[in-house]
Amino acid sequence: GEDVEQSLFLSVREGDSSVINCTYTDSSSTYLYWYKQEPGAGLQLLTYIFSNMDMKQDQRLTVLLNKKDKHLSLRIADTQTGDSAIYFCAENDYGQNFVFGPGTRLSVLP
Amino acid sequence: NAGVTQTPKFRVLKTGQSMTLLCAQDMNHEYMYWYRQDPGMGLRLIHYSVGEGTTAKGEVPDGYNVSRLKKQNFLLGLESAAPSQTSVYFCASSDRGDGYTFGSGTRLTVV
Repeated sequence: GEDVEQSLFLSVREGDSSVINCTYTDSSSTYLYWYKQEPGAGLQLLTYIFSNMDMKQDQRLTVLLNKKDKHLSLRIADTQTGDSAIYFCAENDYGQNFVFGPGTRLSVLP
Repeated sequence: NAGVTQTPKFRVLKTGQSMTLLCAQDMNHEYMYWYRQDPGMGLRLIHYSVGEGTTAKGEVPDGYNVSRLKKQNFLLGLESAAPSQTSVYFCASSDRGDGYTFGSGTRLTVV
């Protein structure tokens, strides 16, 4: 079945760049998403990319997609303490359901 | 515009008790979903609905029932709660390809 994998933890220093990686198995994925979950809150859509794109940039966020390797990454430039959260990768084949990864807990150290 | 609203936010149940979690969305979305979130396991889909009057099973449906009598509401029921159902429950809604809008979650503890 479909599967989305992420490393569970990442620590970076404030001001550095963070790179969160994700791999997926469903080759029919049409959309790939990054969600952010802050403590005690629901998931918030950060950004998404269509499968026919290689890169998308939105302010401090850069999404890179390697469709051949089924690898998605989220780069956060100039990481701040407010970026500390769990980041979920998700994929969707333009159907009803999304498949989520287990989430990467980003800790930003002062 | 409230988005997706879940009630209640917290609940403690005794084993064997029943309860209903309510999800309401005001975005006229067709699709609605119930997920549970457990440590290290990400989000797992319990049930979902592709429109008013329809429901379907997700990855972990056992022990739960759902109803979508009105387009804006999606109810999740636990008929006989078990400690294994201690979790954080998230409701979400979407239109195709637009990404989910999530509620803020319901933290349920079954003792």
